[in-house]
Amino acid sequence: SQQGEEDPQALSIQEGENATMNCSYKTSINNLQWYRQNSGRGLVHLILIRSNEREKHSGRLRVTLDTSKKSSSLLITASRAADTASYFCATPPRGNEKLTFGTGTRLTIIP
Amino acid sequence: SAVISQKPSRDICQRGTSLTIQCQVDSQVTMMFWYRQQPGQSLTLIATANQGSEATYESGFVIDKFPISRPNLTFSTLTVSNMSPEDSSIYLCSVVTLLSSYNEQFFGPGTRLTVL
Repeated sequence: SQQGEEDPQALSIQEGENATMNCSYKTSINNLQWYRQNSGRGLVHLILIRSNEREKHSGRLRVTLDTSKKSSSLLITASRAADTASYFCATPPRGNEKLTFGTGTRLTIIP
Repeated sequence: SAVISQKPSRDICQRGTSLTIQCQVDSQVTMMFWYRQQPGQSLTLIATANQGSEATYESGFVIDKFPISRPNLTFSTLTVSNMSPEDSSIYLCSVVTLLSSYNEQFFGPGTRLTVL
């Protein structure tokens, strides 16, 4: 079964706006990872946030992690048409390398 | 990171046949995994490919249906056996590299399989 759940399941915004996606998980984790998938192809690793970190930035990406609420958010600022993709969070349970993926958010950027 | 290639990138197969998917990595990796992504769904882990020994399968997946080989640190194959239309999915391999911290995984481009 899927550990994580993202919301919203689908999101459409105008180019230039910010997009926020949320992820919830169930078990204790070492880290949480966000991935992007374009057009049903391979996944691209975006960012990893460790369980002892609360916020992390990478370019236009900002990730937060709240281990007390078992949740994370991914913010994409100044969105571009190329950001159109599905975004997944994934967690390896503590002491385990295997990733469990969330349900994903389909993001559409409207030019 | 690692450069991962998969062959074939896509295939259309007949019911009852088998397809072997290859995953090649350009550097030595510690762990290799195989995932399935059914249409419109998220990724589900099939198994961990173990070098020189039998793969470790997740609940719901069995060796007879998804035999896996990993003869060395950089190569693995997944076979989808006796296919049915329900096996139509994207199959992805992923790796954890020697230089990865906190077990970041890197994914191949995927193999899109359609079973008629």
